[in-house]
Amino acid sequence: AQSVTQLDSHVSVSEGTPVLLRCNYSSSYSPSLFWYVQHPNKGLQLLLKYTSAATLVKGINGFEAEFKKSETSFHLTKPSAHMSDAAEYFCVVSMDSNYQLIWGAGTKLIIKP
Amino acid sequence: EADIYQTPRYLVIGTGKKITLECSQTMGHDKMYWYQQDPGMELHLIHYSYGVNSTEKGDLSSESTVSRIRTEHFPLTLESARPSHTSQYLCASSDWTGAQEDEQYFGPGTRLTVT
Repeated sequence: AQSVTQLDSHVSVSEGTPVLLRCNYSSSYSPSLFWYVQHPNKGLQLLLKYTSAATLVKGINGFEAEFKKSETSFHLTKPSAHMSDAAEYFCVVSMDSNYQLIWGAGTKLIIKP
Repeated sequence: EADIYQTPRYLVIGTGKKITLECSQTMGHDKMYWYQQDPGMELHLIHYSYGVNSTEKGDLSSESTVSRIRTEHFPLTLESARPSHTSQYLCASSDWTGAQEDEQYFGPGTRLTVT
């Protein structure tokens, strides 16, 4: 069975410092993996997705994620945090049987000035 | 910017009332979804549709029902609201290409409170 674990419920970083949001998954098959972002009072937006092409995936707003099969991880990173990055981030895996999405519990990213 | 709309954005209603949450998209997407999200928690799929006249239940049991009479419209109905239905409801849509990695586009959500 597929599952997604986001290892931190909250991450707090200072503006201008690197961001690391951790995600581990379990899947019986080669998964598709996504990161979505949810800003307050706004709809969820796709940041990036992995679909068995390049293992390092670049997304919008300077974010990127690396698929590591041996570690079953898909961590999200950004070299330098900006105040506008403050939001909730969800790691998602696509189920193989009917392509439904399994969502992680989310990580709230807090940016300190 | 995704063209998917939900109304109302906020709803406070008494126990036993019938409610319908509206969702419309203008992207011509075949597949549509309803998710339930409690504060600080993951999304749970409650209904989805592959296209007109198609409706399926998701992995979270729900007392709600849905219909898909038009491609662009996917309303969710609760016949008799209860306090346990208090939550945020998110509507989404995607192209149905049969590919595992179809991106979903989300509406802003409806925050429902049942008193």
